[in-house]
Amino acid sequence: QSALTQPASVSGSPGQSITISCTGTSSDVGGYNYVSWYQQHPGKAPKLMIYEVSNRPSGVSNRFSGSKSGNTASLTISGLLAEDEADYYCSSYTSSSTLVVFGGGTKLTVL
Amino acid sequence: EVQLVQSGAEVKKPGESLKISCEGSGYRFTTYWIGWVRQMPGKGLELMGIIYPGDSDTRYSPSFQGQVTISADKSISTAYLQWNSLKASDTAMYYCVTPLGITLIRGVITGVGRFDPWGQGTLVTVSS
Repeated sequence: QSALTQPASVSGSPGQSITISCTGTSSDVGGYNYVSWYQQHPGKAPKLMIYEVSNRPSGVSNRFSGSKSGNTASLTISGLLAEDEADYYCSSYTSSSTLVVFGGGTKLTVL
Repeated sequence: EVQLVQSGAEVKKPGESLKISCEGSGYRFTTYWIGWVRQMPGKGLELMGIIYPGDSDTRYSPSFQGQVTISADKSISTAYLQWNSLKASDTAMYYCVTPLGITLIRGVITGVGRFDPWGQGTLVTVSS
């Protein structure tokens, strides 16, 4: 069982918006602004999409945005494209000796 | 361009030893932490540990302490992940990563901002 809880799957049609949640505790998501989101296509390495809750790395589309409220972080993808179909993982710094915990991943299907 | 390039896929038998590598380029290797992330087949991501090549300060996640050894050779900008006796349960994809935004207060890590970039991954298969 992963330390952070994500829905196993979400889906949306092209052009729509979807939101993926990531729930932790006050020892990780709720206690720090060190939440990141990663996109992983099949057979590929994960790619950083959002860091420190809501920052986008250079080159990442502004269709991707992040937010946090209490112990739950969220990734929103607007204007869905077929290429957005992938697995998405959240992560957070944790005050435990594990240092970083991940969610179990969410499979996004673009219908 | 900052890049992490990992060694190739490995097929090993239970009980054998293994050392996989990750070469960093495009940045000053000794001044950034480098870490290893495990992804078991069809599963999620787990941080195994991180090392600071400048002084070899190494931190392990409790689940991996004593199970693997993380090291680095700064003279060739390369980090390593090593097993002395592989088990079938070590079968996984292993990624090296650059943890950025690490904050330290009196030797205690108090923040890890993100992992970027990632190596391409090394698939390790352990089977008799």
